[in-house]
Amino acid sequence: EDQVTQSPEALRLQEGESSSLNCSYTVSGLRGLFWYRQDPGKGPEFLFTLYSAGEEKEKERLKATLTKKESFLHITAPKPEDSATYLCAVYKAGYSTLTFGKGTMLLVSP
Amino acid sequence: DVKVTQSSRYLVKRTGEKVFLECVQDMDHENMFWYRQDPGLGLRLIYFSYDVKMKEKGDIPEGYSVSREKKERFSLILESASTNQTSMYLCASTPTGGKYEQYFGPGTRLTVT
Repeated sequence: EDQVTQSPEALRLQEGESSSLNCSYTVSGLRGLFWYRQDPGKGPEFLFTLYSAGEEKEKERLKATLTKKESFLHITAPKPEDSATYLCAVYKAGYSTLTFGKGTMLLVSP
Repeated sequence: DVKVTQSSRYLVKRTGEKVFLECVQDMDHENMFWYRQDPGLGLRLIYFSYDVKMKEKGDIPEGYSVSREKKERFSLILESASTNQTSMYLCASTPTGGKYEQYFGPGTRLTVT
């Protein structure tokens, strides 16, 4: 069965303390891996798509990387406004839907 | 920018009522999706549609139905609301052309009492 597992479930950082979130997947025929940010009470906001191992994408303090088994979302010198739940999802060849992980809740304290 | 809108941000209904949740996207997307999101369970797919008048069941379709009469509009219907359908409901759409990322609406927080 295809699975997407995110770790840790929750992460508390001090402002400026860099770290990484992990998304591991067991999907055959991966066609894309997606990262989203979700603020409390709101819909997920699309961040990145990664298509193949070795690919990297950056946006401000966020950098997403992809290997054949997992993806990392690196957060460099985070600020309190980076606090949110980060979701990853995978798209499998031959299907029309995404499989989502349960997310990592990030809290950045000033 | 892609815009997905949902008819209500908050909704309170009574048990047994028929509930309509509407979603509209303005980017001519073919695929549209309805999810519910609950603490500890993540996003769960209820139904999706890949064309007008077409629908497919997701992982948890029981107690729900959908309607897609126009390309830009996808409705979720709770035929007889129950308390276990209290949840955050999220609509999403996907662009055409081989891109699979989904764009979400702001969500509807439904409470069934």
